[in-house]
Amino acid sequence: AQSVTQLGSHVSVSEGALVLLRCNYSSSVPPYLFWYVQYPNQGLQLLLKYTSAATLVKGINGFEAEFKKSETSFHLTKPSAHMSDAAEYFCAVSFNAGGTSYGKLTFGQGTILTVHP
Amino acid sequence: DTGVSQDPRHKITKRGQNVTFRCDPISEHNRLYWYRQTLGQGPEFLTYFQNEAQLEKSRLLSDRFSAERPKGSFSTLEIQRTEQGDSAMYLCASRQSRGKQETQYFGPGTRLLVL
Repeated sequence: AQSVTQLGSHVSVSEGALVLLRCNYSSSVPPYLFWYVQYPNQGLQLLLKYTSAATLVKGINGFEAEFKKSETSFHLTKPSAHMSDAAEYFCAVSFNAGGTSYGKLTFGQGTILTVHP
Repeated sequence: DTGVSQDPRHKITKRGQNVTFRCDPISEHNRLYWYRQTLGQGPEFLTYFQNEAQLEKSRLLSDRFSAERPKGSFSTLEIQRTEQGDSAMYLCASRQSRGKQETQYFGPGTRLLVL
């Protein structure tokens, strides 16, 4: 069975500060990993994804994440926070079976990012 | 690419009534997923289709829930005899199944409130 744990339901940073959102996963087979962002009353937008290629993944809006198999982690970072980054962020996993994925996503509980001026 | 669309965006109903939601996926996507998101939680998988075939259903999908994708294009999710616990955001997503096109694109969701 696969699962995702996001450490910290709320993270608060100052504008210009480093953003670090933590995600640990559990999967019995090689995973695909994703970070999505959700603005209030909207659907989810993909920030970035890991699909067994490069372990350091760059996404949109200056975000990146590093897949660390030994730590079963896929933390999301951004060097300098902007006010527009305030939103809820979800880490998700699907499993990679034989080079393909069935696609069902298992999500973490989400982390709300607040950015202070 | 017009994105995934869902209708309605909001639905208020009384307990015991039936509701139906529609999802229109991105046109070339043959896989379609339904998720449910309650307040303060991440989305939870409900069911998915490859073309018109419903290939997996979560245990969350009780007998009161039914989903269809009759022509392999749009999908509907019906909830019969709604209960207050059904209040949630219902999200639809679609993707291709060729190669490593693993990205699921989400619609804006339908927010259901059962009074």
